[in-house]
Amino acid sequence: AQTVTQSQPEMSVQEAETVTLSCTYDTSESDYYLFWYKQPPSRQMILVIRQEAYKQQNATENRFSVNFQKAAKSFSLKISDSQLGDAAMYFCAQSGGGTASKLTFGTGTRLQVTL
Amino acid sequence: DTAVSQTPKYLVTQMGNDKSIKCEQNLGHDTMYWYKQDSKKFLKIMFSYNNKELIINETVPNRFSPKSPDKAHLNLHINSLELGDSAVYFCASSMPGQGNGYTFGSGTRLTVV
Repeated sequence: AQTVTQSQPEMSVQEAETVTLSCTYDTSESDYYLFWYKQPPSRQMILVIRQEAYKQQNATENRFSVNFQKAAKSFSLKISDSQLGDAAMYFCAQSGGGTASKLTFGTGTRLQVTL
Repeated sequence: DTAVSQTPKYLVTQMGNDKSIKCEQNLGHDTMYWYKQDSKKFLKIMFSYNNKELIINETVPNRFSPKSPDKAHLNLHINSLELGDSAVYFCASSMPGQGNGYTFGSGTRLTVV
């Protein structure tokens, strides 16, 4: 069984500052993938960043980067130079590698960005 | 060019009615999904189809019946709607095993009154 835990229901960051959102997961699969999705008020689910579990190098996408600690089953998201448009719900998610895989989500972290 | 499109975006209906939500993807993905997002924003998988074959069927009431006429389409029919069915329903697609992520539709907000 897969579980994803986000322990921060809400976070706040000032514009231009850096914030880190936490995520831990559990899976029995050896081949899996990890994701962060953003859901703004428009409710669209937007893929922010992804990480293959077999890769040791942490993924980065512009201002977004992850800290992937495989042994600790931790996958945190760092947002640098926060912008007002970053305000949204952020979901951590994990999927396996097979045909019958599914995306399992955490409960989400609501990020507020203040001036 | 919408990658995953679902219709309608909003649906308001009375208890006991039957309604359908349609989903189409033009990404060439093999697998499509239905997810339900409840009022607390929690997202949970309902069904998954791979090349028209049902491969995931979570503990969903049998009032919910998915249908996949081809691998680009996945529809969701709901019979005898109840108040508790009110939620946002997301369609998604992916190419399993490639880790490219799942592409989501814009969601259908279903309100049962």
